[in-house]
Amino acid sequence: GEDVEQSLFLSVREGDSSVINCTYTDSSSTYLYWYKQEPGAGLQLLTYIFSNMDMKQDQRLTVLLNKKDKHLSLRIADTQTGDSAIYFCAEEGRSQGNLIFGKGTKLSVKP
Amino acid sequence: EAQVTQNPRYLITVTGKKLTVTCSQNMNHEYMSWYRQDPGLGLRQIYYSMNVEVTDKGDVPEGYKVSRKEKRNFPLILESPSPNQTSLYFCASSLSGPGNTIYFGEGSWLTVV
Repeated sequence: GEDVEQSLFLSVREGDSSVINCTYTDSSSTYLYWYKQEPGAGLQLLTYIFSNMDMKQDQRLTVLLNKKDKHLSLRIADTQTGDSAIYFCAEEGRSQGNLIFGKGTKLSVKP
Repeated sequence: EAQVTQNPRYLITVTGKKLTVTCSQNMNHEYMSWYRQDPGLGLRQIYYSMNVEVTDKGDVPEGYKVSRKEKRNFPLILESPSPNQTSLYFCASSLSGPGNTIYFGEGSWLTVV
């Protein structure tokens, strides 16, 4: 069945790069997504990548997609304390509009 | 401003007392859905709706009902809440078709005692 796996915690120092990894199972997903959830808030779409792309860059964010290995990563350059949040990887589920989320990676940024 | 609005944002209720969490979107989206978020389990879809009067079960529908009488509203109904429905609930909406941005509400914290 569909499943998305990601590590639960990541701790980095301010100014370093953060890399959050994700593996997924459904190779038919047209898009793959990264969402950010700040404490006490809802989910905010950070970025997404079309399945026929290998990489997408958006300012400090770089998404890498290895379709063969079903591996997705999110790199945050020059990580700031404001980047502390839970980051969710998501693939498209069996029905349109349904997203299958990973359990989320809690990113802690130390000053 | 594009919005998905949920109410209430916070609620403590007792077992068995029916409650409704409302969700409204102002973007004329066809697709709406409800998720619950639990520690260690991530987000799981409860119900979704492809359009008015069209609803279907998601991954964890037990104990919930929904209705879609109007395009903008998609209420989540707990007929007889139980403590295992204590969770953070998110409503979401999007246009039809793959790749359309899914917008989430700010979440509703529900505690059932």
